[in-house]
Amino acid sequence: GAVVSQHPSRVICKSGTSVKIECRSLDFQATTMFWYRQFPKQSLMLMATSNEGSKATYEQGVEKDKFLINHASLTLSTLTVTSAHPEDSSFYICSARGLINTGELFFGEGSRLTVL
Amino acid sequence: KQEVTQIPAALSVPEGENLVLNCSFTDSAIYNLQWFRQDPGKGLTSLLLIQSSQREQTSGRLNASLDKSSGRSTLYIAASQPGDSATYLCAVTAGNKLTFGGGTRVLVKP
Repeated sequence: GAVVSQHPSRVICKSGTSVKIECRSLDFQATTMFWYRQFPKQSLMLMATSNEGSKATYEQGVEKDKFLINHASLTLSTLTVTSAHPEDSSFYICSARGLINTGELFFGEGSRLTVL
Repeated sequence: KQEVTQIPAALSVPEGENLVLNCSFTDSAIYNLQWFRQDPGKGLTSLLLIQSSQREQTSGRLNASLDKSSGRSTLYIAASQPGDSATYLCAVTAGNKLTFGGGTRVLVKP
């Protein structure tokens, strides 16, 4: 199957700093990428949908100024958590859909963010 | 608003037993349904994708059925192994949105 890579897999930062997480589709071009957040023992919650070259669409309740999403190319989307606070600590996962839309989504390995 | 429910939330079986995981969704106007596996602290691995026009998909010991009219899907895992221990998530696609169920945590005891 297609490969989606996330980096970093783990990051620890101080409160008030910003953290950038990258999501790359390694062997296919992704027109659409999705960012999810997962709390312990809970399912994934969609944060936003990003389409290459256009602004991301955020889900209700997700602050777009806090969670900046950029999808500048067909293989890279980034999520920046700005002015991070301890409550932003979570597991963030991206997924990507290819140009040939079979409807199947491929997921990255996730990024564990811990804000001290 | 689409809601996806998975029952049971947790399941423990002895090695060799067949696993039956259930997924239900409230809005039958779906594009497809996907089953995923998630190991602790890891991302999601796609197991099976069933298009809305299909009734089932099979891959090795895994078989997933889809009954769109009743809003149900079942994932069967034959002859379970300890390596099958993980959380299994179902998700339905409607429009451009993927909605996940809460997952079933499976433990296969040797």
